[in-house]
Amino acid sequence: EAGVAQSPRYKIIEKRQSVAFWCNPISGHATLYWYQQILGQGPKLLIQFQNNGVVDDSQLPKDRFSAERLKGVDSTLKIQPAKLEDSAVYLCASSFATDTQYFGPGTRLTVL
Amino acid sequence: QKEVEQDPGPLSVPEGAIVSLNCTYSNSAFQYFMWYRQYSRKGPELLMYTYSSGNKEDGRFTAQVDKSSKYISLFIRDSQPSDSATYLCAMTFTGGGNKLTFGTGTQLKVEL
Repeated sequence: EAGVAQSPRYKIIEKRQSVAFWCNPISGHATLYWYQQILGQGPKLLIQFQNNGVVDDSQLPKDRFSAERLKGVDSTLKIQPAKLEDSAVYLCASSFATDTQYFGPGTRLTVL
Repeated sequence: QKEVEQDPGPLSVPEGAIVSLNCTYSNSAFQYFMWYRQYSRKGPELLMYTYSSGNKEDGRFTAQVDKSSKYISLFIRDSQPSDSATYLCAMTFTGGGNKLTFGTGTQLKVEL
């Protein structure tokens, strides 16, 4: 069974630029999560989708972050404009309903 | 005060040692407790999952939950160099929509 796929794996941008990350969950997993993991910290949930609807986006900085999950499968997370403090690893995870979450390898973002 | 506290380490032990990793938490609503292992530049992978108080054993790994003290532990017996990774505790509760709250992670190095 293929795992959660993410791209790109690494991204370097300058502050105020925009960036987008892509996630393809495990086939059949209706629930998709985006986490932000700052160096030396645990992952922090940014947004959770159930199919293509948002379940929880309470910790998403909505003035600059947006996410969508069209057709209830793939998802994109966008940052516009990026700030220095957005430097982190962005992890995508998926689960079958509220079962075990499986994580992708993450996208490492560096904002200069 | 963070909801979940975890000593970041690093923790360095010789091969074959027994390792004890711990987390404390403040939210008494947490009922489901997990340990994730995260290798460098990889996403977290689920290692152990326990519900409420008690012990759970899986091979060389034992997870222990003491809800009265709001304290969870992961023990690794006969530690191997391949166990070198960051160990993250995570927890959630019924009705929490499977939203995980993570500790900061403890970096473990098992040396030959």
